[in-house]
Amino acid sequence: QKEVEQDPGPLSVPEGAIVSLNCTYSNSAFQYFMWYRQYSRKGPELLMYTYSSGNKEDGRFTAQVDKSSKYISLFIRDSQPSDSATYLCAMSRDQGAQKLVFGQGTRLTINP
Amino acid sequence: NAGVTQTPKFQVLKTGQSMTLQCAQDMNHNSMYWYRQDPGMGLRLIYYSASEGTTDKGEVPNGYNVSRLNKREFSLRLESAAPSQTSVYFCASLPGARPGLAGGETQYFGPGTRLLVL
Repeated sequence: QKEVEQDPGPLSVPEGAIVSLNCTYSNSAFQYFMWYRQYSRKGPELLMYTYSSGNKEDGRFTAQVDKSSKYISLFIRDSQPSDSATYLCAMSRDQGAQKLVFGQGTRLTINP
Repeated sequence: NAGVTQTPKFQVLKTGQSMTLQCAQDMNHNSMYWYRQDPGMGLRLIYYSASEGTTDKGEVPNGYNVSRLNKREFSLRLESAAPSQTSVYFCASLPGARPGLAGGETQYFGPGTRLLVL
């Protein structure tokens, strides 16, 4: 069993919809949780990060961590075609981002 | 400031051929990484270098070697390529000087090298 599980999709939604992306994990030692966005034929770039449990909001994006359930989510409000990308969750045990464990990535398409 | 650069962008090899993937960063970062990305598998760590002069194996090191040439450059070598090494390879770097995500410290990724082994 993988340490981090993420539904690869693909997920296709109409413009303006609320999108929910999720990951589950098995290792309770993970403390830092990240979401990366990867456009086609590009490298991943950091979108959101959170420490321990709780929510974090940045514009249209909200990251949520539930450590008791070993479950993290990324919500995108008022989704735009420019949000079409692959979204990867990543987790780390240590204080820095030295050793990241990635989910499989979810491919998201926002239809105009 | 170019960030993380990788060469080549695309390469086709025959089984048994060797090649070196090059990576360089101009951000004065301490740590560097090599990942491979395959459909449905996410990013898997091949090797990493926490600082100049050190290298360590990641999750999938078999069939690869690395060299941290200096603080800027970290190369990945395939000595005898196999079709199973067909993948997209990403290099990444991390400041690493003061651990902590409070400042948004994260791994910065290059644009990737697409490798096809026939």
